[in-house]
Amino acid sequence: GQSLEQPSEVTAVEGAIVQINCTYQTSGFYGLSWYQQHDGGAPTFLSYNGLDGLEETGRFSSFLSRSDSYGYLLLQELQMKDSASYFCAVGGNTGRRALTFGSGTRLQVQP
Amino acid sequence: DGGITQSPKYLFRKEGQNVTLSCEQNLNHDAMYWYRQDPGQGLRLIYYSQIVNDFQKGDIAEGYSVSREKKESFPLTVTSAQKNPTAFYLCASEDRVGDTQYFGPGTRLTVL
Repeated sequence: GQSLEQPSEVTAVEGAIVQINCTYQTSGFYGLSWYQQHDGGAPTFLSYNGLDGLEETGRFSSFLSRSDSYGYLLLQELQMKDSASYFCAVGGNTGRRALTFGSGTRLQVQP
Repeated sequence: DGGITQSPKYLFRKEGQNVTLSCEQNLNHDAMYWYRQDPGQGLRLIYYSQIVNDFQKGDIAEGYSVSREKKESFPLTVTSAQKNPTAFYLCASEDRVGDTQYFGPGTRLTVL
């Protein structure tokens, strides 16, 4: 099976930088994704890492180390609207392309 | 506009009743998924379909059923066999490039 670990909550102030870590255990790996979900809303795709290294999209960056089964999401210049839950997800279990999601990290941005 | 729609947004069900949740997409995606989310939890996979007329059980398929007769549609039936169906149900379709899943707005099901 597949399992992912991420912190349950993170608090930061506006303008700061925050890093949300994700470690995973999986058989057959083909990528780590990150999704954002505001309260009551649907998850929206943020980033995908298929290979080791850093992917940057505006204020958000995501990193993957396949040898360490580890990745992180980096949010810079935090804004109040970034308060949400962030989920890491992996795909690629043998014979199944569906994603397995972590339990999510709730980010609270304070003024 | 392309996207995924789910209906209804809120659904109330009496115990012992079957209910069907609608999911439609016009993104021309082959793969579609159903997830369940409980308060403060992550998403758990119920069923998925990689292609029309084919679907596979996910991690928590018991008490649910699906069909995939058309590429655009992937309805989920919550049967009376599902012991604790109150949850937020999310449908998604997948763009194979970058493994991006696009989610519908969700259906919040409450059993009375």
